[in-house]
Amino acid sequence: EIVMTQSPATLSVSPGERATLSCRASQSVSSNLAWYQQKPGQAPRLLIYGASTRATGIPARFSGSGSGTEFTLTISSLQSEDFAVYYCQQYNNWLPLTFGGGTKVEIK
Amino acid sequence: QVQLQESGPGLVKPSQTLSLTCTVSGGSISSGSYYWSWIRQPAGKGLEWIGRIYTSGSTNYNPSLKSRVTISVDTSKNQFSLKLSSVTAADTAVYYCARDGNYGDYGDYWGQGTLVTVSS
Repeated sequence: EIVMTQSPATLSVSPGERATLSCRASQSVSSNLAWYQQKPGQAPRLLIYGASTRATGIPARFSGSGSGTEFTLTISSLQSEDFAVYYCQQYNNWLPLTFGGGTKVEIK
Repeated sequence: QVQLQESGPGLVKPSQTLSLTCTVSGGSISSGSYYWSWIRQPAGKGLEWIGRIYTSGSTNYNPSLKSRVTISVDTSKNQFSLKLSSVTAADTAVYYCARDGNYGDYGDYWGQGTLVTVSS
């Protein structure tokens, strides 16, 4: 099983500031990495797939980078609606599909 | 626009079988080449992939749950289902159904989720 590790667990950021979230895979997943945003009481929402491709309707302030085992989600200028929990997920050929433990982005 | 909706009992007794159904609208479950998955999330915790079924009916399960899980599809009703046997309190979670994307096995469309509590 590929273990996904996200850091930090909690990120305190002021509105308008930049947020950088990290995700590390225990072995290479190539670019088969997705990012999701989840707000309380809601299902996860796909933000990024293929490590760097924004899903339909996702604002340009969200960007993803990385390949292999190290990945980053950057939110360039945090808006009020961006405070949420973010998960990464690998979908390489290895099963089971696995998620990181999440990073909570909170208002500083 | 594809939409998914989970349904099933919100309360299941320990040792019994949890049964949930995901109804797909806005498209046929048998069209295209997609995986249809179940994912769960205990309160305050992260996401756990349970398993999936392909359009053809082939299945993959998380090894940690494989002995207790069955996922099936009913194309006539445009639904797929989850059965989890011998449940315990550890199976209490919000259960989501999802469909993968056009370019990989990420969750492109998700249901709103349904809370299942295991308790006597």
